[in-house]
Amino acid sequence: GESVGLHLPTLSVQEGDNSIINCAYSNSASDYFIWYKQESGKGPQFIIDIRSNMDKRQGQRVTVLLNKTVKHLSLQIAATQPGDSAVYFCAENPNSGNTPLVFGKGTRLSVIA
Amino acid sequence: GAVVSQHPSRVICKSGTSVKIECRSLDFQATTMFWYRQFPKKSLMLMATSNEGSKATYEQGVEKDKFLINHASLTLSTLTVTSAHPEDSSFYICSAREHGHGNEKLFFGSGTQLSVL
Repeated sequence: GESVGLHLPTLSVQEGDNSIINCAYSNSASDYFIWYKQESGKGPQFIIDIRSNMDKRQGQRVTVLLNKTVKHLSLQIAATQPGDSAVYFCAENPNSGNTPLVFGKGTRLSVIA
Repeated sequence: GAVVSQHPSRVICKSGTSVKIECRSLDFQATTMFWYRQFPKKSLMLMATSNEGSKATYEQGVEKDKFLINHASLTLSTLTVTSAHPEDSSFYICSAREHGHGNEKLFFGSGTQLSVL
């Protein structure tokens, strides 16, 4: 089902450290997952995606890990920078095809300079 | 990546007026677009699925007569908030999916902040 949280959890990280943002998804049939970054007053920006037949995917400074056994997704950001400060959402595609994504509740990342 | 343009980015209107928000896919065709609503410090809530050439599909609890959606072409969907009231004040975001080779990424517009006085 759709997970919409009441409060945004916050993660504070020192500049240069690695960040790990976690997400629990609800539908075991979901086969596609995306991480989005949303800065204040803007629409979400695509960061990285992963299909259910993979358990890890790397991009530039970001890595997504998928654990289907416990329905858990994580986003790792290496050498976190002030520009990484934003709200991060995971999203799942519960059905193959042209269906809307279901968004997680989001995590606010604050980078301390 | 694909570009979705949303306009206006910010609108302030008086209670009782109607506001139209446009969402355009600039470099791809989108037979389906999605409209989301977001309250401060909250996640995105799907309002409706906009289908080109047919009626939109609304999520439970979303008034279709209040939030009129028109998807007249493969690159344009509009959301009209009719007879707006202060409780309609929110951040509205449209999105579209670029299809091809199993690509299921949703690309988002920049959002519209609606403030109803």
